[in-house]
Amino acid sequence: GESVGLHLPTLSVQEGDNSIINCAYSNSASDYFIWYKQESGKGPQFIIDIRSNMDKRQGQRVTVLLNKTVKHLSLQIAATQPGDSAVYFCAERGAGGTSYGKLTFGQGTILTVHP
Amino acid sequence: DTAVSQTPKYLVTQMGNDKSIKCEQNLGHDTMYWYKQDSKKFLKIMFSYNNKELIINETVPNRFSPKSPDKAHLNLHINSLELGDSAVYFCASSLTSGPNEQFFGPGTRLTVL
Repeated sequence: GESVGLHLPTLSVQEGDNSIINCAYSNSASDYFIWYKQESGKGPQFIIDIRSNMDKRQGQRVTVLLNKTVKHLSLQIAATQPGDSAVYFCAERGAGGTSYGKLTFGQGTILTVHP
Repeated sequence: DTAVSQTPKYLVTQMGNDKSIKCEQNLGHDTMYWYKQDSKKFLKIMFSYNNKELIINETVPNRFSPKSPDKAHLNLHINSLELGDSAVYFCASSLTSGPNEQFFGPGTRLTVL
């Protein structure tokens, strides 16, 4: 399949389990963070975002946690479904200097949900 | 009623050719972007335009030239294509250039032979 040879971090879960995907970001000055889901052959699709003045935000079945002390972002998916299988990307938006306004994407994590 | 559309979806061409990829958004957004995704799925910003003005220009060879005839369109022209240009190119748009969601198009897979 398309993921062969990519060597991205992978997470395999059973349908119905909760999933946690982690991301370390690089710029302590980043002001906005966003999670995207990318299915095979499609463009990235927005899941949830969070601003730097928050540490938790919840959506439908998803929660994003932001720990600015250790520059860590996580995405929790409750009751994971086979349709959640995709590559998940975190992204940070630079707030100053040469990275101002730019979204910098992480390397991606492949989530596979087994029925 | 596609929000961000790109044409073509696939583009196969020979080294040295010049090609263009078109992007249109019907969301009324002010800001548009071009990203390149390589074979390892790494996604990187190339350019950003806000109301037809270039605001982000990453370290991209000058063979790549974006053009924004109006704020709903951002096209990407590539001269003298090289093997290393093979990738998937994504267009995206956002309401403003501030911290808000970017909506991505379906991508254009460019293969240079």
